[in-house]
Amino acid sequence: GENVEQHPSTLSVQEGDSAVIKCTYSDSASNYFPWYKQELGKGPQLIIDIRSNVGEKKDQRIAVTLNKTAKHFSLHITETQPEDSAVYFCAASMGTNAGKSTFGDGTTLTVKP
Amino acid sequence: NAGVMQNPRHLVRRRGQEARLRCSPMKGHSHVYWYRQLPEEGLKFMVYLQKENIIDESGMPKERFSAEFPKEGPSILRIQQVVRGDSAAYFCASSPPHQETQYFGPGTRLLVL
Repeated sequence: GENVEQHPSTLSVQEGDSAVIKCTYSDSASNYFPWYKQELGKGPQLIIDIRSNVGEKKDQRIAVTLNKTAKHFSLHITETQPEDSAVYFCAASMGTNAGKSTFGDGTTLTVKP
Repeated sequence: NAGVMQNPRHLVRRRGQEARLRCSPMKGHSHVYWYRQLPEEGLKFMVYLQKENIIDESGMPKERFSAEFPKEGPSILRIQQVVRGDSAAYFCASSPPHQETQYFGPGTRLLVL
């Protein structure tokens, strides 16, 4: 089955700096890659996603890149703010009605004021 | 449009009791997914259901766990004869037909004493 590895497990940055989280996946059939932000005591919230026919996607301070050949994708957060502090998860799935998403183990991001 | 609803938010059970977790998907969503999250770990897929059908239960333990999504009413995840190792956060997600994006509920935190 699919296996998703996520690095780093913890990341600490100064406010205003950029943060990058990287994930690799194993199954070349995966074609949908969402990123979730989870705050303490809450459920994961989708922040951005990318499909395999696209190499990069940006939404304000957040961007995601995908390298299908290398089977890795990354989350980039620019101009970080303290409220960006949370646990971030990457995931991979085989798209529409394919069911399950396979999640990475998460990255705890701390943005220091 | 209300988000995914889960109840109860917190559930305490003694070993050997039954736990019933409920999930009401977003309006118009006919696909439901259950995930389990152990402390400081990622989400692990358990089961994928559509109305009245179990589509994929490959992540569900073979014994004591069952899930349903009836024609009317919420999806139910049932754990019989709970053990301490069942203590975790259980998240439900839903998606509309023909879309990959899964929207998560706030989770039920189960504590087995």
